Amino acid sequence: AQSVTQPDIHITVSEGASLELRCNYSYGATPYLFWYVQSPGQGLQLLLKYFSGDTLVQGIKGFEAEFKRSQSSFNLRKPSVHWSDAAEYFCAVGVGGYNKLIFGAGTRLAVHP
Amino acid sequence: DTEVTQTPKHLVMGMTNKKSLKCEQHMGHRAMYWYKQKAKKPPELMFVYSYEKLSINESVPSRFSPECPNSSLLNLHLHALQPEDSALYLCASSQVQGETQYFGPGTRLLVL
Repeated sequence: AQSVTQPDIHITVSEGASLELRCNYSYGATPYLFWYVQSPGQGLQLLLKYFSGDTLVQGIKGFEAEFKRSQSSFNLRKPSVHWSDAAEYFCAVGVGGYNKLIFGAGTRLAVHP
Repeated sequence: DTEVTQTPKHLVMGMTNKKSLKCEQHMGHRAMYWYKQKAKKPPELMFVYSYEKLSINESVPSRFSPECPNSSLLNLHLHALQPEDSALYLCASSQVQGETQYFGPGTRLLVL
């Protein structure tokens, strides 16, 4: 069965520090992969996506992610975190002909000043 | 413009009430989705509409009734809900089914 695992429920970093959020997926075919961010009480904003091609994808707000097929991973990175990056981050895989999104449990990011 | 709008932002209803949630997009997208998100949980797909026709129903109870009156509008009619239905209801749209989904801000529903 398809699934997405985000091993870190909660991460705290200092402002200006680098960030990596982990995501592992389980899916038999080539996946469509996404990272969304959700601020408290808000909807989800798309950060970036991977469908095919270059395995390093750039997104908005200075985020990037790297698809590693051998590790079934799609980790999100940012070189320098800003206080406004504090939010919940969801990794998702699109499966099936209609691209049903299966979300990971999410990683809550806190940023210390 | 990648905006999906949802109204109302907040809704409180009793178990005998009938209410509706509304979702609108003007991006020319032909696929629209309803998700339910419980507190501290990821979103879960409820329904998918493609070209104004119901494409997917993820075994949602009949007290939730979706409607897609035109290509820009998606409604979710609520009737005889239970307190456990309290959640954030998110709408999303994509150019066609299978493409990247863009989400609205959600309607936070409380059932008393």
